Amino acid sequence: QVQLQESGPRLVKPSETLSLTCSVSGGSIRNYYWTWVRQPPGKGLEWIGYIFYSGTYTYNPSLESRVTILLETSKSQFSLKLTSVTAADTAVYYCARAPGHVPPDPSFAFDAWGPGSLVTVSS
Amino acid sequence: QSALTQPASVSGSPGQSITISCTGTSSDVGRYKFVSWYQQFPGKAPKLLISGVRERPSGVSDRFSGSKSGNTASLAISGLQAEDEAEYYCCSYASSNTWVFGGGTKVTVL
Repeated sequence: QVQLQESGPRLVKPSETLSLTCSVSGGSIRNYYWTWVRQPPGKGLEWIGYIFYSGTYTYNPSLESRVTILLETSKSQFSLKLTSVTAADTAVYYCARAPGHVPPDPSFAFDAWGPGSLVTVSS
Repeated sequence: QSALTQPASVSGSPGQSITISCTGTSSDVGRYKFVSWYQQFPGKAPKLLISGVRERPSGVSDRFSGSKSGNTASLAISGLQAEDEAEYYCCSYASSNTWVFGGGTKVTVL
């Protein structure tokens, strides 16, 4: 049973960089899209972006100028960096995965999630 | 990339059936078969209920079913139970290899 766990600073100052890491255990890194999703307090889910195990990535167009997602296969980890944060970036950040079958099949969805990490942007 | 449109809330009595709609565009829901639904309890991570419009992952109750017509996907819950009270989100693959979520629907069991 795969498990995902987010880690990183819970408090970030405005204009600085938010950094989170997701550790993957109990499953392979290969053949999956490794994903970040966020949820501002009391609001809905927003897809941030993902990286395939091969290294190719896609970001939400609304965030792509500030987002970087990296994969460290040797550590079974992937990371999120979000630059120039403001209070609007305060949210619970979830890491998740989606199967990367070629071609994509009906399982192409976010089938495993971390518990989430609340990151607050405040001075 | 705009969020998919879901009703803010849906309610029903125990044993009844309810349906949650999820309206997108011809660039997401209408174009791709990769529509999924998630159940979320307060303070918890979302859980996958439906993938590929209508496929239930192992362990998900058959009281949950998905469908799609044109630009609108739907999640039906039959035999509504108190434990179904939660927030439900739809999600669709979209052009340029991106994903978009709906705004969420709160289901209340009366």
